[in-house]
Amino acid sequence: AQKITQTQPGMFVQEKEAVTLDCTYDTSDQSYGLFWYKQPSSGEMIFLIYQGSYDEQNATEGRYSLNFQKARKSANLVISASQLGDSAMYFCAMREFTDNNDYKLSFGAGTTVTVRA
Amino acid sequence: SAVISQKPSRDICQRGTSLTIQCQVDSQVTMMFWYRQQPGQSLTLIATANQGSEATYESGFVIDKFPISRPNLTFSTLTVSNMSPEDSSIYLCSVEDLDPPRVTQYFGPGTRLLVL
Repeated sequence: AQKITQTQPGMFVQEKEAVTLDCTYDTSDQSYGLFWYKQPSSGEMIFLIYQGSYDEQNATEGRYSLNFQKARKSANLVISASQLGDSAMYFCAMREFTDNNDYKLSFGAGTTVTVRA
Repeated sequence: SAVISQKPSRDICQRGTSLTIQCQVDSQVTMMFWYRQQPGQSLTLIATANQGSEATYESGFVIDKFPISRPNLTFSTLTVSNMSPEDSSIYLCSVEDLDPPRVTQYFGPGTRLLVL
């Protein structure tokens, strides 16, 4: 079963506007973490923001903020004041512990964001 | 933050051959991860490599096809064996960087592999 769901394959946003990327997750664990990554056309994976399941406040990193709604199992990324350089693929990921006390990241399908001038 | 380098950055290989990808980190890390990203797809975890123990493979990935070495806390290799065109992907090395209260997981620049 899909653990991370990103329902928006692609989005267009006007420069300087805000955009929200949806992410829902499925887990029965109490302790988990949620990540967002940006992948530009160059292919590198750029870490944007992290939210722990026990964090009471929503994470923020510069223009990025994570709207964490634990009861709804959603972790939406908000990008404020979009810039042309924000055009990229964005992945939501969840970290879960495994049976042998390691952990692993599961990724969503991604959302392509195109910023228009 | 951890700085990760991978070699080679890209390669074109013939089917039936093998390629070894190297991952070097500028600091000691406990866990290293290898991912595959097929064209137009998301990332899929191949295996987790802890120093001093056998790698743990995810469902659908086997050691004979993707042998991994982890000789120390800063280095790992992934070999793609007996390659076929279906192995054409980006292969990414990743490490966790624990700097409380921040938790991040960083990725290397990736190795773009094309199998003909």
